[in-house]
Amino acid sequence: NAGVTQTPKFRILKIGQSMTLQCTQDMNHNYMYWYRQDPGMGLKLIYYSVGAGITDKGEVPNGYNVSRSTTEDFPLRLELAAPSQTSVYFCASSFQGSQPQHFGDGTRLSIL
Amino acid sequence: QKEVEQNSGPLSVPEGAIASLNCTYSDRGSQSFFWYRQYSGKSPELIMFIYSNGDKEDGRFTAQLNKASQYVSLLIRDSQPSDSATYLCAVNTNAGKSTFGDGTTLTVKP
Repeated sequence: NAGVTQTPKFRILKIGQSMTLQCTQDMNHNYMYWYRQDPGMGLKLIYYSVGAGITDKGEVPNGYNVSRSTTEDFPLRLELAAPSQTSVYFCASSFQGSQPQHFGDGTRLSIL
Repeated sequence: QKEVEQNSGPLSVPEGAIASLNCTYSDRGSQSFFWYRQYSGKSPELIMFIYSNGDKEDGRFTAQLNKASQYVSLLIRDSQPSDSATYLCAVNTNAGKSTFGDGTTLTVKP
């Protein structure tokens, strides 16, 4: 039972590069979320999706893009990476918006 | 004002004591409330969730919700060293938007 799977686990990028963080869930959950967590801070919502084809901005969407073509996958795209995007990124899913979220193990991203 | 605020830490309690963690929220449209535990370097894991005013108990954990005061708390009875972690309060609207507090770090001393 995989749950929420994130890849890669670690990545170092140079300023200006782009990359896609992958997230997939096998629980047939409708809702999926992307968060970033800076050291000593809580989770800040980047984007979320209530179902395939539907996405919405969270608290800190600038510099990121998402798509949701299937129920299972919710990739996060970083364009023109900046040092301020150095963080730990968590993907999460839930069956409905009012229900608890299941988290992936996170992606540690450093931009130098 | 932050949308979700937690009592500033760190919080330190002796083993066997009660740990009290507090959270206030600003959006009156919030409908569901969660407490997650996060060990250092790990992802958050669900401890408790509560939807209605009052208390909800699960083993050593009790969540309390007061929507009129926009306040939610977590009590940990008989605290154990393994409870040492950061506790995150999260608040969701029915539309699914989720907001987390900055967390309170709890240390339980043997």
